[in-house]
Amino acid sequence: AQSVTQLDSQVPVFEEAPVELRCNYSSSVSVYLFWYVQYPNQGLQLLLKYLSGSTLVKSINGFEAEFNKSQTSFHLRKPSVHISDTAEYFCAVSVGAAGNKLTFGGGTRVLVKP
Amino acid sequence: GAVVSQHPSRVICKSGTSVKIECRSLDFQATTMFWYRQFPKQSLMLMATSNEGSKATYEQGVEKDKFLINHASLTLSTLTVTSAHPEDSSFYICSAQSGPYEQYFGPGTRLTVT
Repeated sequence: AQSVTQLDSQVPVFEEAPVELRCNYSSSVSVYLFWYVQYPNQGLQLLLKYLSGSTLVKSINGFEAEFNKSQTSFHLRKPSVHISDTAEYFCAVSVGAAGNKLTFGGGTRVLVKP
Repeated sequence: GAVVSQHPSRVICKSGTSVKIECRSLDFQATTMFWYRQFPKQSLMLMATSNEGSKATYEQGVEKDKFLINHASLTLSTLTVTSAHPEDSSFYICSAQSGPYEQYFGPGTRLTVT
């Protein structure tokens, strides 16, 4: 079975500073990787995903994540955060053979301070 | 983009009663929908996979007689919490699959059992 570990439960960061959210996974088969964002009292929104091809994937709002197979990681980064980036971020994996079932990490709460 | 709605957004019920939560894909058809449960400040846990026209597949440890899932059409799945108890209080989130590795999440339903 696969598992996902998000090493930081909370990350305080000042506005316009960079942020990195760490995600490591374990799986015996190939995985597909996702980052979701959850704003307070809302459902999840897909931020970006890695299915195949280039290991660096980017979102439209400045986030990027790099798939590192040897490190079994999919860390999320943003070079300059905004107050509006305050949210909970979840890393998730899907195993092809199991269909599209997602296994989520514990989440990282990002608090952007002015 | 694809939109998934949930109704109600909040519900308070008395212990022993049943509650039905609806999940609808508004602008696409979804043969597969998923139901998740999220405890405060925790990650999402997959409860079951709902397939249109067939029985739901429940994750290990989820009581299928307590959490009844019906996927009656390609745009509607319902979760009924039967004989609810305070420990069933949680945030229930559904997602609908619009294509391979494309899941869209509803805004969630907060259930409080008194």
